[in-house]
Amino acid sequence: AQSVTQPDIHITVSEGASLELRCNYSYGATPYLFWYVQSPGQGLQLLLKYFSGDTLVQGIKGFEAEFKRSQSSFNLRKPSVHWSDAAEYFCAVGSNDYKLSFGAGTTVTVRA
Amino acid sequence: EPEVTQTPSHQVTQMGQEVILRCVPISNHLYFYWYRQILGQKVEFLVSFYNNEISEKSEIFDDQFSVERPDGSNFTLKIRSTKLEDSAMYFCASSEGFEKLFFGSGTQLSVL
Repeated sequence: AQSVTQPDIHITVSEGASLELRCNYSYGATPYLFWYVQSPGQGLQLLLKYFSGDTLVQGIKGFEAEFKRSQSSFNLRKPSVHWSDAAEYFCAVGSNDYKLSFGAGTTVTVRA
Repeated sequence: EPEVTQTPSHQVTQMGQEVILRCVPISNHLYFYWYRQILGQKVEFLVSFYNNEISEKSEIFDDQFSVERPDGSNFTLKIRSTKLEDSAMYFCASSEGFEKLFFGSGTQLSVL
């Protein structure tokens, strides 16, 4: 069965500093990997996805993620965070049965 | 960007009562989903719906749950007899294919 682990429940980062959110997955075949963001009162918005090809994927809002098969990881990064990046971030793994399995989420707090 | 709309944003009900959560998916999408997130837990897949029938459902989606697309635009989730443990945020999503699910902002269901 597919599953996702996000080891960090809460991360606090200073505005302008870099951010990295960890995601480890378990899946028998080549996974489809996603990062979603949820701002307060909002739905889940897709930041980026990996299906195949280049292991470094670029997303919206200046985010990128790198797929590392050897480490079963798909970590999300941003070089310089903005106050508006404060939100909850979810990593998810999917398959071609149109079902996503989400991690527990990481809450990001941005301090001035 | 097109949006998935969910109503109401917050629903309070008594245990044993029936509730219907409503969603308006993006108009040209063919696949529809319900996910839920119990407070402090992961976002969980409930059901996917395609071509007017359920394509997949999780073990959570028992006989108390049903989905319907009554009029070609709305997509509803009905819980026949709510239990305390049904209290959660329920997310509707829609997609053209698998690559990008668009999520609504959710309905917070509180069962008293």
